[in-house]
Amino acid sequence: DQQVKQNSPSLSVQEGRISILNCDYTNSMFDYFLWYKKYPAEGPTFLISISSIKDKNEDGRFTVFLNKSAKHLSLHIVPSQPGDSAVYFCAASEASNYQLIWGAGTKLIIKP
Amino acid sequence: NAGVTQTPKFQVLKTGQSMTLQCAQDMNHNSMYWYRQDPGMGLRLIYYSASEGTTDKGEVPNGYNVSRLNKREFSLRLESAAPSQTSVYFCASKKYSNYGYTFGSGTRLTVV
Repeated sequence: DQQVKQNSPSLSVQEGRISILNCDYTNSMFDYFLWYKKYPAEGPTFLISISSIKDKNEDGRFTVFLNKSAKHLSLHIVPSQPGDSAVYFCAASEASNYQLIWGAGTKLIIKP
Repeated sequence: NAGVTQTPKFQVLKTGQSMTLQCAQDMNHNSMYWYRQDPGMGLRLIYYSASEGTTDKGEVPNGYNVSRLNKREFSLRLESAAPSQTSVYFCASKKYSNYGYTFGSGTRLTVV
């Protein structure tokens, strides 16, 4: 039973447009959420995070939104660039030092 | 460059063979982790070491053993490889919080 779900295995977006990646979770005890980005033949790298006391966190072109009542978070990338083509993983934990539970990832393809 | 180094990058084993995956980090991180990544699934934790001298089981520890040799090194051993252990293995480390996970580039293991 997956506690963190990324229901879209892949997403294709035109360069310059907005990319929206979604993540749902089932464990109401999760209070830290992170997004990692992974290129082929490399390990995941940390992208952006949000704690449950916030509903939005922004870092340059990347914004993460958290809807606790819906147990849903999303990553917005605006504008999308070719270098954003990668697999994006959503992860969650119950506290900052608890183990991460990972989603299956969404492959983002940015079309020129 | 500072980071997490994994060896080997690729390995093919026959069923029943043993091998050790090596991981070393030079960032003075306290915690180290071994994950496996399978198609359609998120990263799953095999074993972790919260600090030098301690190791604990993760979500999928069966068929694996680990050794935290010192603060820098954390190895993963497959005593008798099985086809179900065909996967990509990632080592990671962090100092304290989840925000600071650093991953190695992965080991692609095939068991035939």
